[in-house]
Formats: sequence, structure tokens, C-alpha cells
Amino acid sequence: DIVMTQSPDSLAVSLGERATINCKSSQSVLYSSNNKNYLAWYQQKSGQPPKLLIYWASTRESGVPDRFSGSGSGTDFTLTISSLQAEDVALYYCQQYYSSPITFGQGTRLEIK
Amino acid sequence: QVQLQESGPGVVKPSETLSLICTVSGGSIGSYFWTWMRQPPGQGLEWIGHSGNTNYNPSLKSRVTISVDKSKNQFSLKLSSVTAADTAVYYCARAHGGGGWIDPWGQGTLVTVSS
Repeated sequence: DIVMTQSPDSLAVSLGERATINCKSSQSVLYSSNNKNYLAWYQQKSGQPPKLLIYWASTRESGVPDRFSGSGSGTDFTLTISSLQAEDVALYYCQQYYSSPITFGQGTRLEIK
Repeated sequence: QVQLQESGPGVVKPSETLSLICTVSGGSIGSYFWTWMRQPPGQGLEWIGHSGNTNYNPSLKSRVTISVDKSKNQFSLKLSSVTAADTAVYYCARAHGGGGWIDPWGQGTLVTVSS
């Protein structure tokens, strides 16, 4: 199985500041034949199901604010929130879909400082 | 847009079979990869399996069956021989890209394994 490790486990950022969450996979999730990274990011607010933010490592899902961006390739990925809003308080998960079984990171809790 | 809703018992006895149904509305169940996930209380996300190629998590494979009923626009999960470790919020969802990113998700249903 591909192990996904997120850092940090929790993060406190001031409103309007940048938040950065990292995700590292135990093996590359870059498929060489199409040059795509098989990685997605989700946001989960308290008591709600996860919500898709990013897929193919950097493609923003329709309707997701452009302050959310994804980057990285191979084994190292980053979710960046450019200017933190109060409604961004949540757990964030990365997920690989390069190989079965699909696996998730352990989650990063984002709070307001 | 497509919406999903889980239904089924909230409590299952140890050693019995957990059975859940997901009803798809706002679109045809078609040929998508329909997916079950779970999340134990206070813990992370675990993929259970997809319908499209009946691809299951090896950690659960011997106990899991996912099936689709196109006539009812529903798909289902059966998990046999449950224990307390199977207590979780169970989500149904749709997988894109042949079993890739997951969207949308149902609201989730808490299933507790208890006698």
C-alpha cells in the first residue's frame, strides 16, 4: 500500500495569512505515460462529509475558491490557502489514487490563530 | 446535481452482517465507479471498495460485497462478521477517473457495532 503522510498534524494561522499543508507519499504517484500525479485534496468540516478541493494534484474542482491551490509532483505535494478565511477551519486530507488500495493521509487540522 | 443518501441500521450486533444502501438522485447510476468509505469516530478515512471493477480494500476484501441495482438507482454495501472495530461513519460516494478522486459524498451514517 502507498502510505500518505501529512505535515503538520495541526496548524494555526492568522486570518488573511497563508496556510501550507504538506503531503508525502511512500512512492511516486506520477504516472509517466500521461504525466499526471494521481493525488487529490479534501476539506472536512466538523460533522460533514469530505469535500473535494483538488484533483490531479493541481486541478481545482469547480466552485472551489481560487485561494486554494495544489502543487507538487512525484512524492511531495502541497495544499496552499493563500489568504485564510474563517470558513476554512477544517480538517484537510490528501489521497492517492495511483494504485489500489486508495489511501489517505492522516489529516491536518487547520485553526485560526 | 447528483446527490447520495445512505440508509440502514444504526446498530449491528457483533458477528452479524452490516448492510447499507446508497440511493443516487439527480442523475443515473450509469457506469460510474460507486464507492464506500468509512471513518471511525475521531479518526481518518478508509476506502472500503468500488463497484466498477469490484475492487476492494485487501484489509476488508474477505468480508465485503458491493453491488449495484440500476433499476432502483441504488448501490449497496455488505460487511460480514463485524466487530467493534467496524464502528464508523460510513459514506457512499462516486469515484471519478476509473476509481480516482471522490465526489460527491453522501452525508454519512453512523453504524455502531454493539450487543
